[in-house]
This record gives sequence, structure tokens and C-alpha cells, in this order.
Amino acid sequence: EADIYQTPRYLVIGTGKKITLECSQTMGHDKMYWYQQDPGMELHLIHYSYGVNSTEKGDLSSESTVSRIRTEHFPLTLESARPSHTSQYLCASSALAGGPNTDTQYFGPGTRLTVL
Amino acid sequence: KQEVTQIPAALSVPEGENLVLNCSFTDSAIYNLQWFRQDPGKGLTSLLLIQSSQREQTSGRLNASLDKSSGRSTLYIAASQPGDSATYLCAVVTDSWGKLQFGAGTQVVVTP
Repeated sequence: EADIYQTPRYLVIGTGKKITLECSQTMGHDKMYWYQQDPGMELHLIHYSYGVNSTEKGDLSSESTVSRIRTEHFPLTLESARPSHTSQYLCASSALAGGPNTDTQYFGPGTRLTVL
Repeated sequence: KQEVTQIPAALSVPEGENLVLNCSFTDSAIYNLQWFRQDPGKGLTSLLLIQSSQREQTSGRLNASLDKSSGRSTLYIAASQPGDSATYLCAVVTDSWGKLQFGAGTQVVVTP
């Protein structure tokens, strides 16, 4: 089983609050990803990182921001939560050395966010 | 722009039947195709990865085929069990950094 953790697992919060979703992995992976998933819909990549101090925006525009100060840690922050941010957020990681042909991503359990 | 489609969106079968799940993609320039399983309230678990040069991969009761030229992959699960009930997701890698593009999934229910 992959060692990638997300906290909190569930979060209900009011509009306007600042929130940070935590993601940590103990596998020493260089690449990390954040996906957003609405019920019954496909996962969309919102942020990714290839290593420390590297962050990029994904295919789906998001008002969230990320940071990568340590290899094992990739937190996602929403400065002012809104009901439209209600969704499931999944974090994943993979080894840089894997290459695109054989690269496998390992996923955390997800954070289900509800903004009232 | 790559689009990944999974049909059907939901499937219910009695225990013991074989499962056939379909995935199609619009751009054949892929590095690999992957099948994942997602259980309610949990993250994704990787099932099989087929490299672009391969035609199939097998793991236990699972077998996945890949036809790049027609943009299709099929996941076969032999002798289904209630524990196979989950959502199955197909994803392709289309860039050198390994970013995944997902389909919406097929929700499978195996009844005892």
C-alpha cells in the first residue's frame, strides 16, 4: 500500500474562510499532483510539482494555490472558500525516474470539502 | 485536446459473470494507459498499466488490452466477486511528464 496521506479527510467550512489541505508522502517521490473530482465526474488535474520549489497549474483552472518547500509535503490552500469549491480533492505522487511510459501514480484517500 | 470516454457509466452483474469495461480516447499519441479502481471514500488504486508499445497486460483475474490505432482499451475481470464492486477509471498519459487524463469511470456492482 502506498504511503501517501491527506488531512483532513472531511471538512465542512463557512464561506470566506482560509483553508489548507495537507498532503504528505514518505516514498521520496519527486512528482506530486492535486486533482479535483466532482461526484460522478472525471478527475481534473489542478496543480502539479516536479520537485522542491517547482509548481505548475494543471488543466483545470483553480483559485487554489500550492507550495513545495519539502519533497514530502505538497499543501493546497484556498484563501477564501466559496460554495463552488465544494468537491473532493485527491493528492498523488510518482517517481521522477519512472518516465512517462512506466510512471505509476499513487493516490491518497482524498479530502471531501464542503463549503456552506 | 485528448478526451477519454468510458462506457457504460454503470454496470450491474451477478457474481461469477465476467466483466467487460470499455475505454476510448481521441488522440492515439499516448505514452501509456492505466486502469484504476476507486472505492467510496477512498483514493485510487492502480490496477494495470499498459505501455504504448504493448497490446495487453494481465494481473490475476484482470486483463487489459490496448489498441492504440483505434483509440480503445478494454478491461476484463474474470469470474466477478462482490468485492469487485467499485468504480473503475481509465486514464492516459499524453505528455513526457506523466500527467494523467481521466475518463469519468464505470461504476460496477456485483450482486451475490
